[in-house]
Amino acid sequence: SAVISQKPSRDICQRGTSLTIQCQVDSQVTMMFWYRQQPGQSLTLIATANQGSEATYESGFVIDKFPISRPNLTFSTLTVSNMSPEDSSIYLCSVKPGLAGPEQYFGPGTRLTVT
Amino acid sequence: EDKVVQSPLSLVVHEGDTVTLNCSYEVTNFRSLLWYKQEKKAPTFLFMLTSSGIEKKSGRLSSILDKKELFSILNITATQTGDSAVYLCAVERPPYGNKLVFGAGTILRVKS
Repeated sequence: SAVISQKPSRDICQRGTSLTIQCQVDSQVTMMFWYRQQPGQSLTLIATANQGSEATYESGFVIDKFPISRPNLTFSTLTVSNMSPEDSSIYLCSVKPGLAGPEQYFGPGTRLTVT
Repeated sequence: EDKVVQSPLSLVVHEGDTVTLNCSYEVTNFRSLLWYKQEKKAPTFLFMLTSSGIEKKSGRLSSILDKKELFSILNITATQTGDSAVYLCAVERPPYGNKLVFGAGTILRVKS
């Protein structure tokens, strides 16, 4: 499976600011995803990061709030914009290395606290 | 709307005990069910199940799917403190191979 790193691993931010989270994979992957895990809850898919085109957002998530970049097949960023305390969550990137099979492999996550 | 429900929400056992975690689902056009173990932040992949009645096994962990009754179980035998984690169940939904819907998870704590 792919080795995935995320930066930062954690951050404490003030409301109204923005944070960009980076996800780096050690090999080229077809699909990359961004998830949010709010305290005590399960993983919710934010968007699919498409290489060379705009991300595909899930219902309830918009590009203005969560802009995503994917400049190549090994890297993506998620920005959490104009943060509020409700954005305090763990943000995870995941990858699906191959075209077959649904298994996704997750990065170590970014724990964000908004004060 | 697709739904994945896990039970129990949490449990505490002693080392050496056997535990069974449950996952039921309501998904249009079911294709596969996946189990993950989440320690700290990152979920790690355990099993993928697509066919009823075929047990998947890895060491002390095993899992089976019942597509008629729409559920799966994850068994852990001879539990160890290192098994303490959140266990997540997810089902695949269209577009197939791309999207996973996760349950809320079962928090397992193994006491020494």
